[in-house]
Amino acid sequence: NAGVTQTPKFRILKIGQSMTLQCTQDMNHNYMYWYRQDPGMGLKLIYYSVGAGITDKGEVPNGYNVSRSTTEDFPLRLELAAPSQTSVYFCASTHPGGRTDTQYFGPGTRLTVL
Amino acid sequence: AQSVAQPEDQVNVAEGNPLTVKCTYSVSGNPYLFWYVQYPNRGLQFLLKYITGDNLVKGSYGFEAEFNKSQTSFHLKKPSALVSDSALYFCAVRPPSGNTPLVFGKGTRLSVIA
Repeated sequence: NAGVTQTPKFRILKIGQSMTLQCTQDMNHNYMYWYRQDPGMGLKLIYYSVGAGITDKGEVPNGYNVSRSTTEDFPLRLELAAPSQTSVYFCASTHPGGRTDTQYFGPGTRLTVL
Repeated sequence: AQSVAQPEDQVNVAEGNPLTVKCTYSVSGNPYLFWYVQYPNRGLQFLLKYITGDNLVKGSYGFEAEFNKSQTSFHLKKPSALVSDSALYFCAVRPPSGNTPLVFGKGTRLSVIA
């Protein structure tokens, strides 16, 4: 299994541009998450999904959109990039239930908005 | 709402000495507690978790954590630190029911000095 994969690894955007961060998992996990990591701030949850067709807002959803058309994919969309969205973005997945409740993380996407 | 506190931004320890990284939590009911480690330019990796049972949980790379319900703590420990343990460590909590995602602490940077 490849686990959780994210593309691209790095990206520089200009203010106002848009992009989609891709996330795919091959573990057949129902739950998927998007986090952003800012220095000294830990991880903040942006959006999450408990299954295909179901998404919900996390702690910091403004400026982002998500969709979940398949179990495997959970793309994150930035419509109008702003400098405040400069961060490292992590996708994660899990199949909650008792002792299988571990979240698996992708390698991250480092985004800079100038 | 659940929360996690990691009171130390940075922990320095000499190689071969025992290490402790502190975590306290606030959650309704009995919690699921997790420790993750992040090496530079990598995603988070699962170390260990407490669901129920023994208060001392053993995990990867020789790490263990002690769940203390009365003190609402879940401190990460290792008897003998290695330079390769230097990384960013995150504590996380999740209530035992519902779809609530993990809530992460801000992280503690561990530096092991040779």
